[in-house]
Amino acid sequence: EIVLTQSPATLSLSPGERATLSCGASQSVSTYLVWYQQKPGQAPRLLIYDASNRATGIPARFSGSGSGTDFTLTISSLEPEDFAVYYCQQRSNWPPTFGQGTKVEIK
Amino acid sequence: QVQLVQSGAEVKKPGASVKVSCKASGYTFINYYMHWVRQAPGQGLEWMGIINPSGAKTNYAQKFQGRVTMTRDTSTSTVYMEMSSLRSEDTAVYYCARDRITTFDPWGQGTLVTVSS
Repeated sequence: EIVLTQSPATLSLSPGERATLSCGASQSVSTYLVWYQQKPGQAPRLLIYDASNRATGIPARFSGSGSGTDFTLTISSLEPEDFAVYYCQQRSNWPPTFGQGTKVEIK
Repeated sequence: QVQLVQSGAEVKKPGASVKVSCKASGYTFINYYMHWVRQAPGQGLEWMGIINPSGAKTNYAQKFQGRVTMTRDTSTSTVYMEMSSLRSEDTAVYYCARDRITTFDPWGQGTLVTVSS
């Protein structure tokens, strides 16, 4: 199965700063890469699908890029509600797999 | 709106079984597969399996084969995940999530299953 490695494990930033999260795949997933946001005590929420497409209702400050094995989620200017854990997930090969997550915390 | 509502928290003893439900509304139930994903305390997300509500065909992660059974009731638009031979390592929040070409959207609110003697 495809292994996804997210970095860094924790990102400490202040509101208004730019966040850059990485997700690397053990083999090519083309652009079949998805990003989710999870806040404490809540279920994950779909943010980005197929590497760069924002899901319905997701603010424009969230953007995704990449293809093959290297992917990036960028939050252009952090809002207080963006401090959460972010997971990537591949849907290229069966079974679907998730990265271990990146926590974006307030500095 | 599309909504998945799961059953409440469970406490089970080691060796017991648990059955978690996930009731769907706001869309045509049989048109979308449903996944189950679990999350141990403080850990990441682990895919468990998928069920086709139309024909009831299932596909389980190898790790859970033989211990997990996913079923559905089309009359109530509900899917179920039953796990047997529970052990402490199965303590986790269990989520159902609707499939959209192997993208999970939306998710149920989660069901905490605690396995403790």
